[in-house]
Amino acid sequence: GAGVSQSPRYKVAKRGQDVALRCDPISGHVSLFWYQQALGQGPEFLTYFQNEAQLDKSGLPSDRFFAERPEGSVSTLKIQRTQQEDSAVYLCASSEFVDTYSDYGYTFGSGTRLTVV
Amino acid sequence: SQQGEEDPQALSIQEGENATMNCSYKTSINNLQWYRQNSGRGLVHLILIRSNEREKHSGRLRVTLDTSKKSSSLLITASRAADTASYFCATDAIAGGTSYGKLTFGQGTILTVHP
Repeated sequence: GAGVSQSPRYKVAKRGQDVALRCDPISGHVSLFWYQQALGQGPEFLTYFQNEAQLDKSGLPSDRFFAERPEGSVSTLKIQRTQQEDSAVYLCASSEFVDTYSDYGYTFGSGTRLTVV
Repeated sequence: SQQGEEDPQALSIQEGENATMNCSYKTSINNLQWYRQNSGRGLVHLILIRSNEREKHSGRLRVTLDTSKKSSSLLITASRAADTASYFCATDAIAGGTSYGKLTFGQGTILTVHP
């Protein structure tokens, strides 16, 4: 596709509910990142995939967070037993490179706004 | 945790004026990037400056980097109402092993340009 697509755009979950957030990166992009952005803050790194391999999950805040990219394209971020502090915008970004030799940075999706009530 | 501090947190100017935003960071970097975010939208990449560069231009944007002071500035010249957005700096820090371009963002500057 022309850009990074994320769905759903908005998600309201009751506390304790499981949610799954989807990211469709640009076709052929090797690198895929997930970031979490709290209201009024900058994005914070969650996890990184290079193709289907999850090379860094150091930013996942707890074992309730799980991400996968089984075929090296679409990625899903799953949050189990959601809590109010999980309320944030979840952003996905992709790049055709495995480092930042490119001058073009990363292409971000519009994000999923998760509200836990 | 956020790598950098951005200054000012908010900036309000009139159309046609220049806007300057500053970013400081803590660790050695491969490069520093600036992104723009309109309300409720994703981030849009504006410009990337590498650690061996001191200044870079792109259209109405001018970015400087001072690695000795671990700081960068973004200048938007002849601002327009459409430039109203949040602006974030992000650093690709040097880390042991292979770098894959993980970014650490600042808290952002909210720019409002009044017509």
